[in-house]
Amino acid sequence: EPEVTQTPSHQVTQMGQEVILRCVPISNHLYFYWYRQILGQKVEFLVSFYNNEISEKSEIFDDQFSVERPDGSNFTLKIRSTKLEDSAMYFCASFRGPTYEQYFGPGTRLTVT
Amino acid sequence: AQKITQTQPGMFVQEKEAVTLDCTYDTSDQSYGLFWYKQPSSGEMIFLIYQGSYDEQNATEGRYSLNFQKARKSANLVFSASQLGDSAMYFCAMREGHYGQNFVFGPGTRLSVLP
Repeated sequence: EPEVTQTPSHQVTQMGQEVILRCVPISNHLYFYWYRQILGQKVEFLVSFYNNEISEKSEIFDDQFSVERPDGSNFTLKIRSTKLEDSAMYFCASFRGPTYEQYFGPGTRLTVT
Repeated sequence: AQKITQTQPGMFVQEKEAVTLDCTYDTSDQSYGLFWYKQPSSGEMIFLIYQGSYDEQNATEGRYSLNFQKARKSANLVFSASQLGDSAMYFCAMREGHYGQNFVFGPGTRLSVLP
């Protein structure tokens, strides 16, 4: 069964460093999302991406964040200068179309020290 | 205002009991989708069931069913005969928007199944 994959599974970085989180969505999916979940808290929407551009973003997704689909398979989330409060689990998700279910990757646990 | 409300932050049930997890939602869109996900302690997000706003039948997926009451804007998850492995966090979520680009999660219900 096809699945969304994410790398790395765990990333530790120092405050102020740039990180890139990688996702490979399911191949025939057209809509891509990033979410984050601070430990023990709710899942928060960051950004949605369709047709090679951002379709929606939350207040969390400020200028420190960017997304790219550099080729036909990868979907990346970049945090330019990490802060302690960026420590969270980051989930990538994809779906084929508005009436289809949304599948999540296993997540990347980001720890900022 | 909260888009998704889950009124049971924590819930305990005995093994083999039936479970209903509550979810109410708020949207002015006519076309939307409702989802339930399970998040075990390992952290992954597991898709359980999906209900489209135009679906007339309640969705079922294996052990799970979704009790969809559109007029009341509720989408409760129901499963019978709970198992110890069902202990997890359960999130109700909604996707709305013309292209389904808005996706929001509820705060979750932590279900603990006791032996």
